[in-house]
Amino acid sequence: GESVGLHLPTLSVQEGDNSIINCAYSNSASDYFIWYKQESGKGPQFIIDIRSNMDKRQGQRVTVLLNKTVKHLSLQIAATQPGDSAVYFCAEMTRGGSEKLVFGKGTKLTVNP
Amino acid sequence: EAGVAQSPRYKIIEKRQSVAFWCNPISGHATLYWYQQILGQGPKLLIQFQNNGVVDDSQLPKDRFSAERLKGVDSTLKIQPAKLEDSAVYLCASSLDRASYGYTFGSGTRLTVV
Repeated sequence: GESVGLHLPTLSVQEGDNSIINCAYSNSASDYFIWYKQESGKGPQFIIDIRSNMDKRQGQRVTVLLNKTVKHLSLQIAATQPGDSAVYFCAEMTRGGSEKLVFGKGTKLTVNP
Repeated sequence: EAGVAQSPRYKIIEKRQSVAFWCNPISGHATLYWYQQILGQGPKLLIQFQNNGVVDDSQLPKDRFSAERLKGVDSTLKIQPAKLEDSAVYLCASSLDRASYGYTFGSGTRLTVV
C-alpha cells in the first residue's frame, strides 16, 4: 500500500509569506525523496529532491528538510507568490527492484494576494 | 528538449466500452511509466517499462488494463472494458534510465467513464 502521506490537505497563505508543506513517510528503506508541484490540468513538475544521506537541500526559494528519525519531510517556500498556488506532492523511492516513485495524497496550496 | 507527449487530452466513454491512450516519451529516455491519478489523490504507478520490456506491472489490473511499448519508444495503455472507477487522469512519464531520478511527466489524459 501507499507509504507516503501528508499532514494537511490544504494550506492557505498570504502573498509574501513563507509556506511550509509537510509529509510523513513510513518506509524506512526509502532513500530518495522528491517534491512535485502540480498545477490544474498539468502533470507533476519536479521542484527539488533530496537523498537520505542529507538532511537539508536548498534551491531557488525552496528548501527541503528531511528528518529520518521521525520519517518526516518538509518543503519550505520563501516569499510565496500567486504562481506557487498548486497541489504539492512528496514522493519517495526505494532503490533496488523497480525503483518506482510512490506518491502521497498532496497538499493544495492557495496563495492569497 | 520536447516534453512527454500524450493524447488525447480528454476522453469520455460509457462503461464497458474500450479506450486507448498514447504516450511519446522524451527522445532517448529508456524508462517509461504509466500512472493513474484519481481526483484528489497522488499518482499511482500502473506499469513501468525499460525499453520495450515490462519492469513492474504489479499494480496494473490485468483483467482489464493492458499496455505495450513496441520498439521501446511510444507506448499505449488500453482499458477494456472500462468501469466507472477508472475515471481518472492517466499520466505518462519517462526517465533516462531506471537509475535516473529525473522523471518528466506529460500533461495526462483525463478519462471520464459514464
